[in-house]
Amino acid sequence: AQSVTQPDIHITVSEGASLELRCNYSYGATPYLFWYVQSPGQGLQLLLKYFSGDTLVQGIKGFEAEFKRSQSSFNLRKPSVHWSDAAEYFCAVGSRGGNKLTFGTGTQLKVEL
Amino acid sequence: NAGVTQTPKFRVLKTGQSMTLLCAQDMNHEYMYWYRQDPGMGLRLIHYSVGEGTTAKGEVPDGYNVSRLKKQNFLLGLESAAPSQTSVYFCASSLLLPSTDTQYFGPGTRLTVL
Repeated sequence: AQSVTQPDIHITVSEGASLELRCNYSYGATPYLFWYVQSPGQGLQLLLKYFSGDTLVQGIKGFEAEFKRSQSSFNLRKPSVHWSDAAEYFCAVGSRGGNKLTFGTGTQLKVEL
Repeated sequence: NAGVTQTPKFRVLKTGQSMTLLCAQDMNHEYMYWYRQDPGMGLRLIHYSVGEGTTAKGEVPDGYNVSRLKKQNFLLGLESAAPSQTSVYFCASSLLLPSTDTQYFGPGTRLTVL
């Protein structure tokens, strides 16, 4: 069975600082990996996804993530955080041909001005 | 283009009452899902549908039923609400398999069961 671990429940960064949110997955084959963001009171929105190929993927809002098979990780990064990035971030894993995604428990990001 | 809409946005029930949550999408998506979101537990899949007239159980289906009579609608029912069903419910849809395609989420329904 596939699973996702987001070890950080809360993270606080200063505006303009760099950001890295951790995601570790468990899956026997090549996983399909996603990062979604949830702004307060909203549904989730896709930031980026990885299926194959280049292990560094670019997403919306200046985010990127790197797939590292050896570490079973798919960490999300942003070079300079904006106050509007304050939200909850979810990593998710899917399997090839699978009907569903498995979500992590989320990381709540707070941005200090 | 409304995307995915959910009705109602908020609801308070008493234990034992029943209700139906409606999800509608206007993107002609085949796949639809119901999730619940609880603090510290992320999103957990309740039921899903891979097309009109089909439904399947997800991770936490007990106490819920669903129907997909029309392609654009996915209904979630609670026959006898329990306090453990207090949660925020999200509906989502995707054109293709969720493992390869973007899921589009509704704004959520906050349900409180007293």
